Amino acid sequence: DGGITQSPKYLFRKEGQNVTLSCEQNLNHDAMYWYRQDPGQGLRLIYYSQIVNDFQKGDIAEGYSVSREKKESFPLTVTSAQKNPTAFYLCASSTPRGRDNYGYTFGSGTRLTVV
Amino acid sequence: EDQVTQSPEALRLQEGESSSLNCSYTVSGLRGLFWYRQDPGKGPEFLFTLYSAGEEKEKERLKATLTKKESFLHITAPKPEDSATYLCAAVETGANNLFFGTGTRLTVIP
Repeated sequence: DGGITQSPKYLFRKEGQNVTLSCEQNLNHDAMYWYRQDPGQGLRLIYYSQIVNDFQKGDIAEGYSVSREKKESFPLTVTSAQKNPTAFYLCASSTPRGRDNYGYTFGSGTRLTVV
Repeated sequence: EDQVTQSPEALRLQEGESSSLNCSYTVSGLRGLFWYRQDPGKGPEFLFTLYSAGEEKEKERLKATLTKKESFLHITAPKPEDSATYLCAAVETGANNLFFGTGTRLTVIP
């Protein structure tokens, strides 16, 4: 079945560490997105990529970095510069531009906790 | 500024008690309005996309409607398995990025 796979499901980070969250999709979607979800704040966009080797900052990109070397993969690195990284991270992908069947497909999320 | 606001924040219903969730939006030209269901600890699951005022879509006990300024998710005779957080999101014309509301947490009591 086609879908988006995020790993790991749970991740623990020590102070000062960088950690990388994996996101892989086999939907042949061009665009991919990373969101952060905190209680009471809804989903906030971190980074997005509409094509391989290109990506743009979202609303809360500080302290995060991404790469898009393959269409299927869009890993997110949470750097030590992100002062409050504890959150639920969601990866999504979307169909190409056009009215029909437009929408986001989400992965199952990674819960990151600072210890 | 583009914005999506959902109300109420939380809603408790008795099984079989119908109700509606509200999503009001302000975007510069609406390309699409989306509803998602999210269970605790999981990613959002797509429910509906609405494109123009007057449009309606149904799925089992859920019906989504759209006006020029808001969308409603009507839940008819809900069951306990309908308990979840329901998210609304909007995308403006010419863009791909969704603006999300903070969600309505629905609890259906047997």
